[in-house]
Amino acid sequence: DGGITQSPKYLFRKEGQNVTLSCEQNLNHDAMYWYRQDPGQGLRLIYYSQIVNDFQKGDIAEGYSVSREKKESFPLTVTSAQKNPTAFYLCASSIDLFGFKGGLGEQYFGPGTRLTVT
Amino acid sequence: AQKITQTQPGMFVQEKEAVTLDCTYDTSDPSYGLFWYKQPSSGEMIFLIYQGSYDQQNATEGRYSLNFQKARKSANLVISASQLGDSAMYFCAMREGEGDSSYKLIFGSGTRLLVRP
Repeated sequence: DGGITQSPKYLFRKEGQNVTLSCEQNLNHDAMYWYRQDPGQGLRLIYYSQIVNDFQKGDIAEGYSVSREKKESFPLTVTSAQKNPTAFYLCASSIDLFGFKGGLGEQYFGPGTRLTVT
Repeated sequence: AQKITQTQPGMFVQEKEAVTLDCTYDTSDPSYGLFWYKQPSSGEMIFLIYQGSYDQQNATEGRYSLNFQKARKSANLVISASQLGDSAMYFCAMREGEGDSSYKLIFGSGTRLLVRP
């Protein structure tokens, strides 16, 4: 079955520690995204990647970093510089970034990782 | 100004009845797409339905339909014959234009739907 996996489901860290959230997809999608969701709110874009070895900042990139060394993988590191890291993090992918390869531009999401930093 | 507005933080509906979730949007771009996602308590976002700005007919997908009123800039989701499993958060999202920012999905704040037995 094709899809997006995120691990772990729940993650607890002490303040001041960096933590990396994994995201893997086997949909053969070019584009991948990281979103943050806070309680009662919609999703906000942290980083996105159009292709391997390329990624761009989204709306709230400060305190986060990413890498895209493989097409299937787009890990997100929450650094100690992120002032309020406790949130629900969702990874997504789409066929491509701008819809040039067809499709509706819909993004497919993983199950999310709930990060708690104390 | 907010690009996507969902004015109903929470909604109740009786099982087997229809329910409409409101979404209004703001864009000056003639080309855009509107999406609805469902987020159950498990957390993942499930793509439900899409409406393109140039589509002549309202989108339908099974029990989901989109009441698209372009002049009013609204794209309301209609769920017919509600089921208990429809209880979830529902998000409206927009993808604008064909330019450099057309990759972005802009999400509303969501509506929590609770289906009563």
